[in-house]
Amino acid sequence: DTGVSQDPRHKITKRGQNVTFRCDPISEHNRLYWYRQTLGQGPEFLTYFQNEAQLEKSRLLSDRFSAERPKGSFSTLEIQRTEQGDSAMYLCASSSNDYSNQPQHFGDGTRLSIL
Amino acid sequence: AQTVTQSQPEMSVQEAETVTLSCTYDTSENNYYLFWYKQPPSRQMILVIRQEAYKQQNATENRFSVNFQKAAKSFSLKISDSQLGDTAMYFCALSKGAQKLVFGQGTRLTINP
Repeated sequence: DTGVSQDPRHKITKRGQNVTFRCDPISEHNRLYWYRQTLGQGPEFLTYFQNEAQLEKSRLLSDRFSAERPKGSFSTLEIQRTEQGDSAMYLCASSSNDYSNQPQHFGDGTRLSIL
Repeated sequence: AQTVTQSQPEMSVQEAETVTLSCTYDTSENNYYLFWYKQPPSRQMILVIRQEAYKQQNATENRFSVNFQKAAKSFSLKISDSQLGDTAMYFCALSKGAQKLVFGQGTRLTINP
């Protein structure tokens, strides 16, 4: 169990630029989740996948946000035309979809700063 | 809609003391799961303890235990014999099955030497 891996750890970019984050889940986990966490707040759900299927998207996920999990393994989260309000920690989590409802395991997150 | 409320933004206790963090929630589901996650400064979120709503017995993990009151929709976390390494943000969270987690605002816990 190597844990959930996120890349990069930090991203600084200018307003209006596009950014892409990557998440590698724990290998045997078929569910993958993205959350956004602003300073001093709890994480907010963005979207989740079961294998390659995107099963739910939050209304927080505007049309500037897109997430993919093309082969049911790693996932990418892209933000187009970044805005100041996109500055946050983006967390990825994974879990297995068995009958016992295994808990979600989180990565270290990607901290996005918009200049 | 599911909501989770943590009414204590910050708490501080001395090492070795016992501390209780409060959490209330709202859901229309009958089957759901409750969690406490810990997020140390600049480190990843880790699971502390979880409770299945259909189980009446309160969950316990070493020094951590919960008081689950289903009718009152209350889910508090008790940390016994607190240690310096318990200093962290603590988040209460709710989920319906293996789906998204809904988090509270968090409680910043400081353990003082």
